[in-house]
Amino acid sequence: AQTVTQSQPEMSVQEAETVTLSCTYDTSESDYYLFWYKQPPSRQMILVIRQEAYKQQNATENRFSVNFQKAAKSFSLKISDSQLGDAAMYFCAYRSASWGGSEKLVFGKGTKLTVNP
Amino acid sequence: EPEVTQTPSHQVTQMGQEVILRCVPISNHLYFYWYRQILGQKVEFLVSFYNNEISEKSEIFDDQFSVERPDGSNFTLKIRSTKLEDSAMYFCASSDRTASTSTDTQYFGPGTRLTVL
Repeated sequence: AQTVTQSQPEMSVQEAETVTLSCTYDTSESDYYLFWYKQPPSRQMILVIRQEAYKQQNATENRFSVNFQKAAKSFSLKISDSQLGDAAMYFCAYRSASWGGSEKLVFGKGTKLTVNP
Repeated sequence: EPEVTQTPSHQVTQMGQEVILRCVPISNHLYFYWYRQILGQKVEFLVSFYNNEISEKSEIFDDQFSVERPDGSNFTLKIRSTKLEDSAMYFCASSDRTASTSTDTQYFGPGTRLTVL
């Protein structure tokens, strides 16, 4: 079974600075997707960024980028120019892309990000 | 931008009562999911639904749970006899994974907070 591990329960960053959230995963599959979701205090789950495992290029979305290391099974999220609105719980998630594979998202335990003014 | 909606936002019920949580997925999506998040814990997969039948379910999704697509827009989760441990945030999600242009991403609704007394 696939597992996702987020080793940082909490992180903090100063406004306008850069922070990196860590995520590692375990799988025997070669074809999969990885996601970062943001959960603000409202508790809604908001997609931040998505990475296909077959793509070598790291995904970017404005101030958000990932460092995807397939061999190391590592998928970290970098937030540049942090803003107060980035304060939230961040979840790393895995989903199989194998034909006939599981459709479910497997989540890590999350990292609570605090942004200090 | 299209979004997943859920009603009610908060449901309080007595132990042993039946509850129905409602979701309206994004209109052109054909895959639907329910997840739950017990307070302070990770998000857990419950069930996926496609073509009017369950395509995958987790160990949590026992006989107390059922899902239904009663019409062309709604997707419901029923808990027949609620227990205290069913208290959680329940998220509905949908994806367009069958579309040729699909990003195979699951988009989440805002959640229903279920409190069982």
